[in-house]
Amino acid sequence: SYVLTQPPSVSVAPGQTARITCGGNNIGSKSVHWYQQKPGQAPVLVVYDDSDRPSGIPERFSGSNSGNTATLTISRVEAGDEADYYCQVWDSSSDIYVFGTGTKVTVL
Amino acid sequence: QITLKESGPTLVKPTQTLTLTCTFSGFSLSTSGVGVGWIRQPPGKALEWLALIYWNDDKRYSPSLKSRLTITKDTSKNQVVLTMTNMDPVDTATYYCAHARIAAAANYFDYWGQGTLVTVSS
Repeated sequence: SYVLTQPPSVSVAPGQTARITCGGNNIGSKSVHWYQQKPGQAPVLVVYDDSDRPSGIPERFSGSNSGNTATLTISRVEAGDEADYYCQVWDSSSDIYVFGTGTKVTVL
Repeated sequence: QITLKESGPTLVKPTQTLTLTCTFSGFSLSTSGVGVGWIRQPPGKALEWLALIYWNDDKRYSPSLKSRLTITKDTSKNQVVLTMTNMDPVDTATYYCAHARIAAAANYFDYWGQGTLVTVSS
């Protein structure tokens, strides 16, 4: 089955840029979605279809996808961005949904 | 405004069958391009997709759990039910239901319930 691999953790200072990668075989041919999950809360969609943002999500959150890696970029990081982040794709060949392994973002 | 809420037992015994209900509002599961999925998260671990039911009653399951899962919908009641048989302590997790937007290979979960913690223990 399709596997999405993320780094377990990313640390970033306030005001800097955090980049979270999501690796998968030819993931650039798929549509990638990103979720933010804060402790004790349900996940929240922050980027869909590689680079689109739902209403209410700050422009600081952006996404890109090419080759074997998709990336979620958080610009001008704030303390409130500290959370776990998950990528997700729909594998059309088997019509199943796959989540990444998750990345914990720590704001120093 | 789309909302979803999970309900069901908080504690089940090993080998028992778990039945969870997702009650939603703000959309109809008979509308094209809509689905409801179930996702779980063991304590301290990653999200795991379990099952999804589409507006046209098509159903998809995680390959690793397919033999144990059944997903159904009751459009008139705005409910989706997930059953999981032969529960084991490793199935202890928070179970979420979520609204799925189905759009030309960009299928994603844009609204989530609050989740319900299910513990499997004798």
